[in-house]
Amino acid sequence: DTAVSQTPKYLVTQMGNDKSIKCEQNLGHDTMYWYKQDSKKFLKIMFSYNNKELIINETVPNRFSPKSPDKAHLNLHINSLELGDSAVYFCASSPGLRYGYTFGSGTRLTVV
Amino acid sequence: DQQVKQNSPSLSVQEGRISILNCDYTNSMFDYFLWYKKYPAEGPTFLISISSIKDKNEDGRFTVFLNKSAKHLSLHIVPSQPGDSAVYFCAASERSAGTASKLTFGTGTRLQVTL
Repeated sequence: DTAVSQTPKYLVTQMGNDKSIKCEQNLGHDTMYWYKQDSKKFLKIMFSYNNKELIINETVPNRFSPKSPDKAHLNLHINSLELGDSAVYFCASSPGLRYGYTFGSGTRLTVV
Repeated sequence: DQQVKQNSPSLSVQEGRISILNCDYTNSMFDYFLWYKKYPAEGPTFLISISSIKDKNEDGRFTVFLNKSAKHLSLHIVPSQPGDSAVYFCAASERSAGTASKLTFGTGTRLQVTL
């Protein structure tokens, strides 16, 4: 039974399209995150939600919009996709920083 | 500006020997440090953490050492096993920031444990 699940695992799409990545956690954690791993393997935070409330919003283009319908879900919608958006996107959840994060297996997005 | 640095992109160690992975940070506000392990096509998994009030934390074969004055931490794996072959990420946070805490990651070190 997967703790943090992301769908889809792979996503290939054309420039200019709009796409969504879904994330669900069944751990009962209050806080969820989106991280981006770029081509240099650098893992960088994008957003964090705590109990459906946005608490961290890094310098991410407005084309990226997170949505949290409930505390178990944090979806990422991307408008007008660009080549530079190609990366692996990881969702994560945490009950508190002391326990670290539990990551999903990632979504590899390729924009062509 | 990379606040967490792992200067060795890769490391090869023989099975049974000690693996030492290093990490340096620049932000003096960081007070909580974590190590994650990542296999290909999987998300990172939490390994071990240390608070800035400690200089050592041990969990089985894994020990993390923190030198605050040098802004340096290291992960020791003893003895190294082939299943330890993975990418190891160092991460740091200002835990005092509460729910607004975020993890800042290094770029990872690929460990290969050879037979």
